[in-house]
Amino acid sequence: GAGVSQSPSNKVTEKGKDVELRCDPISGHTALYWYRQSLGQGLEFLIYFQGNSAPDKSGLPSDRFSAERTGGSVSTLTIQRTQQEDSAVYLCASTQRDEQYFGPGTRLTVT
Amino acid sequence: DQQVKQNSPSLSVQEGRISILNCDYTNSMFDYFLWYKKYPAEGPTFLISISSIKDKNEDGRFTVFLNKSAKHLSLHIVPSQPGDSAVYFCAASGRYGGSQGNLIFGKGTKLSVKP
Repeated sequence: GAGVSQSPSNKVTEKGKDVELRCDPISGHTALYWYRQSLGQGLEFLIYFQGNSAPDKSGLPSDRFSAERTGGSVSTLTIQRTQQEDSAVYLCASTQRDEQYFGPGTRLTVT
Repeated sequence: DQQVKQNSPSLSVQEGRISILNCDYTNSMFDYFLWYKKYPAEGPTFLISISSIKDKNEDGRFTVFLNKSAKHLSLHIVPSQPGDSAVYFCAASGRYGGSQGNLIFGKGTKLSVKP
């Protein structure tokens, strides 16, 4: 079956612009995570959605970051007024029991 | 301060030999540990996991060992194959099951298996 998909695969934006990153999880998976991986760093947790519960936003680095999950499926991560330090690969994962299935990521470059 | 540490950024092994990737953690509340493999331009893929009630879990060529007293786990790959060349991430969770708690990842170890 189809895995987790993310779009766009690459995004280059100018400093100060807003960007939206999309994640389509595996159908039926109730939990969805966003992570980012900066150069030379491990995966950094950003936000977690579980069913209809309030999302766990404890990993968001600033109030410029926000995420939504509509209808318990597709999720959008929005970064407002992008900064150069936001450049990273943004990964989405959906979860079945104790296994996370990752998408291919969106490489964001802020110039 | 890093809670999950992979102190070796890279490892090179000859095909057919054993690869040992190490991971240390600092938070004694972690009770579930996972290894992920990541190829370039792809998302990480789940490899193997272990809960704190065990000290070993084996799946084919992959074995994960957990030493709770030392807060240390390791991934053994034997025999190593060139297709195993990838970045390996260690991850830990404070509750059993990735969907119940946030995973904390190490920085990864790049494994190169030479033919």
